[in-house]
Amino acid sequence: AQKITQTQPGMFVQEKEAVTLDCTYDTSDPSYGLFWYKQPSSGEMIFLIYQGSYDQQNATEGRYSLNFQKARKSANLVISASQLGDSAMYFCAMYNFNKFYFGSGTKLNVKP
Amino acid sequence: GAGVSQSPRYKVAKRGQDVALRCDPISGHVSLFWYQQALGQGPEFLTYFQNEAQLDKSGLPSDRFFAERPEGSVSTLKIQRTQQEDSAVYLCASSLSGRDSNQPQHFGDGTRLSIL
Repeated sequence: AQKITQTQPGMFVQEKEAVTLDCTYDTSDPSYGLFWYKQPSSGEMIFLIYQGSYDQQNATEGRYSLNFQKARKSANLVISASQLGDSAMYFCAMYNFNKFYFGSGTKLNVKP
Repeated sequence: GAGVSQSPRYKVAKRGQDVALRCDPISGHVSLFWYQQALGQGPEFLTYFQNEAQLDKSGLPSDRFFAERPEGSVSTLKIQRTQQEDSAVYLCASSLSGRDSNQPQHFGDGTRLSIL
């Protein structure tokens, strides 16, 4: 069963604008962690932001924020003030039962 | 170095050969994970170690895949009698603790395996 769903294979955004990347997840466990990773064309996976299932507030890290809606089981990533260097694949992941489950990713292209 | 180190960076092998991929995690990290990433896809879980114990190997696609971490540090993923469908990027990741769901995984740069 698909644990993490990213419905946007590709996205375009204008430089300096904000963009939201969608992620929904599926688990029956009340304890889990949600993560977003960035993978540039060079291939490394870069950790961006974390949200715990019991966290009351949405996580923020610089230009990244996570719009966590627990009842809807969604954990969308918001990137504010997009930069050309933000062009990459973005993966949503959930840590649950000692495993990480990754979505299929969203390829973000930032246009100058 | 301070990060997760994987070697080789690229590996080309003929179908039927055995290959060994190495992962050197961040010092002190208890948990180590292996993933397989096909082109254009997200990483798929292969196996998980906590120290030297392999706690989960449910993602290994066949008995040709074998992983070990004998001293709780460096890990090796071995693929025997390689087949073309084994071609992928193999990612290794480590985290401080496997029991806490708030620990991010730190990834190596991966080994790109091509089977001819």
